[in-house]
Amino acid sequence: QKEVEQDPGPLSVPEGAIVSLNCTYSNSAFQYFMWYRQYSRKGPELLMYTYSSGNKEDGRFTAQVDKSSKYISLFIRDSQPSDSATYLCAMSVRNQGGKLIFGQGTELSVKP
Amino acid sequence: ETGVTQSPTHLIKTRGQQVTLRCSSQSGHNTVSWYQQALGQGPQFIFQYYREEENGRGNFPPRFSGLQFPNYSSELNVNALELDDSALYLCASSNRQSVDTEAFFGQGTRLTVV
Repeated sequence: QKEVEQDPGPLSVPEGAIVSLNCTYSNSAFQYFMWYRQYSRKGPELLMYTYSSGNKEDGRFTAQVDKSSKYISLFIRDSQPSDSATYLCAMSVRNQGGKLIFGQGTELSVKP
Repeated sequence: ETGVTQSPTHLIKTRGQQVTLRCSSQSGHNTVSWYQQALGQGPQFIFQYYREEENGRGNFPPRFSGLQFPNYSSELNVNALELDDSALYLCASSNRQSVDTEAFFGQGTRLTVV
């Protein structure tokens, strides 16, 4: 079993839809949770960064962490064609900055 | 743009050869981590360098090695290249002195082994 599980998709939605992306994990020591966006043939771009449980909002993006269920989510409101990319969840334990465990990534396509 | 730069952007090598990839970390960051990303997969942690020493390693053989220089830039060296080494190699920089552990990635080096 992988430490971090993420549905690879692909996920296709119409423009303006609310998108929900999810990851589950098995290591209860994870305390830092991140979402990266990766366009084709580019490096991952940090979207959201959350410590421990709770919600964090940034514009159209909301990240949720439920440590009791070992489950994290990223919501995208009013999705745009420019949101079409692969979304990667990543996690790390305390004091190990940069040592990230990634999910497989979910490929998202937003249709005009 | 993250300020993390990698070179070269693309590279084609023959099986059995050796390759060196380079990374300049973001200003203010003292830690560099290297990842391998196969097509359709998430990045896999190779190793991390902090204060010019290896600080943690993933499940990669010894033919993957690295260096970190006093200016915090880093190199990834791969010896005896195999076809399965074809991947996008990513460098990420972070600051271990910071409470936050955000890591910022470069654009990657796409290595093709033929």
